[in-house]
Amino acid sequence: DVVMTQSPLSLPVTPGEPASISCRSSQSLLHSNGYNYLDWYLQKPGQSPQVLIYLGSHRASGVPDRFSGSGSGTDFTLEISRVEAEDVGVYYCVQSLQTPRTFGQGTKVEVE
Amino acid sequence: EVQLVESGGGMIQPGGSLRLSCAVSGVTVISSYMNWVRQAPGKGLEWVSVIYSGGSIFYADSVKGRFTISRDNSKNTLYLQMNSLRAEDSAVYYCVRETSTPVPTGTYYYMDVWGKGTAVTVSS
Repeated sequence: DVVMTQSPLSLPVTPGEPASISCRSSQSLLHSNGYNYLDWYLQKPGQSPQVLIYLGSHRASGVPDRFSGSGSGTDFTLEISRVEAEDVGVYYCVQSLQTPRTFGQGTKVEVE
Repeated sequence: EVQLVESGGGMIQPGGSLRLSCAVSGVTVISSYMNWVRQAPGKGLEWVSVIYSGGSIFYADSVKGRFTISRDNSKNTLYLQMNSLRAEDSAVYYCVRETSTPVPTGTYYYMDVWGKGTAVTVSS
């Protein structure tokens, strides 16, 4: 199975400041079609996960443009340009290149 | 709007069985890629099983041979039959629909709609 490793596991943030989460995979997620099969999700407190980014860098419908995804191969980053209070929760990366889909451990983002 | 409503969770003794249901609205279950994803208390997300629109089925190794995913097209409902339950199966189980987007070589699917989940506790 593809192992997904996120860092940091806990991220204190200040509203208005940028934030960044790293996700590394044990195998390249770059498909032969040139796309990276990597998605990002946010699970807000008490809620179900919601998709933020698919194919490494494509924002899902309704996701604010302060969220961006980048990276290729085995190294990926989720960036929040200016954190808002509503962005707190646990962020997960997940690979869709191979079955089983595998998730990172999650990064808990909390306001300082 | 696609909506997923899970039910069937509860407390069960080790070795017992439960059947989870996911009532689907806004889309037909037969035309969708449908998953079960679980989350143990205080832990991260774990993919459990998927059934594709064409009928192909896959399971996580941790549940293979014990869990069965199925769908009832007439009721537009997804199921997860869970047998030989263990303490480590205790979790909130989410029903998740995949949506598709075109890529040069075909279609990419990602999980876009999640239900609120149903909690399963396996304990004596």
